[in-house]
Amino acid sequence: GAGVSQSPSNKVTEKGKDVELRCDPISGHTALYWYRQRLGQGLEFLIYFQGNSAPDKSGLPSDRFSAERTGESVSTLTIQRTQQEDSAVYLCASKLQENTEAFFGQGTRLTVV
Amino acid sequence: AQSVAQPEDQVNVAEGNPLTVKCTYSVSGNPYLFWYVQYPNRGLQFLLKYITGDNLVKGSYGFEAEFNKSQTSFHLKKPSALVSDSALYFCAVNNDYKLSFGAGTTVTVRA
Repeated sequence: GAGVSQSPSNKVTEKGKDVELRCDPISGHTALYWYRQRLGQGLEFLIYFQGNSAPDKSGLPSDRFSAERTGESVSTLTIQRTQQEDSAVYLCASKLQENTEAFFGQGTRLTVV
Repeated sequence: AQSVAQPEDQVNVAEGNPLTVKCTYSVSGNPYLFWYVQYPNRGLQFLLKYITGDNLVKGSYGFEAEFNKSQTSFHLKKPSALVSDSALYFCAVNNDYKLSFGAGTTVTVRA
């Protein structure tokens, strides 16, 4: 596609429910990143995938968070048993190679009520 | 480990004045450095990058940045700020594919 696509754009869920967030990267981009951005805050690294290497999960805040990527395409970020502190915008980005810039999607705004 | 510091939460300048947004980094090896801008309720947009070569790099919307290896800095600059430059600016460092961002600096340009 023309850019990084994320869905849904907005998600309201009840505390304790599971949610899945989807990211479609730019075709051919080998690296894919997930970040969390709380209101008025910076980007908190969650996880990244690079080609066939094992993902770097060092930023996942708890075992309620997990992510998968199918080959070099779609990725899903799953949050189990959502908590109110999970409310944030979740941003996905992809890049072609290490020395190129990352392209960001518009994000998924998650609200846990 | 790698990290990025943006020491100023906010920068306020008058339109037409020079704008500088500071960034320092810590990384092993040679860094790839980036600046991004985020307008309200918008995604992040790439401004410019330093990979290698000339320490002064030019990017979108009249922005430039200077890579200083001895000071491990990559400050963003614009000679004459516009009201429309008001936004949230992020510095980022990439090493071995891990892309880390600073906390961001809110720039306000007053008319």
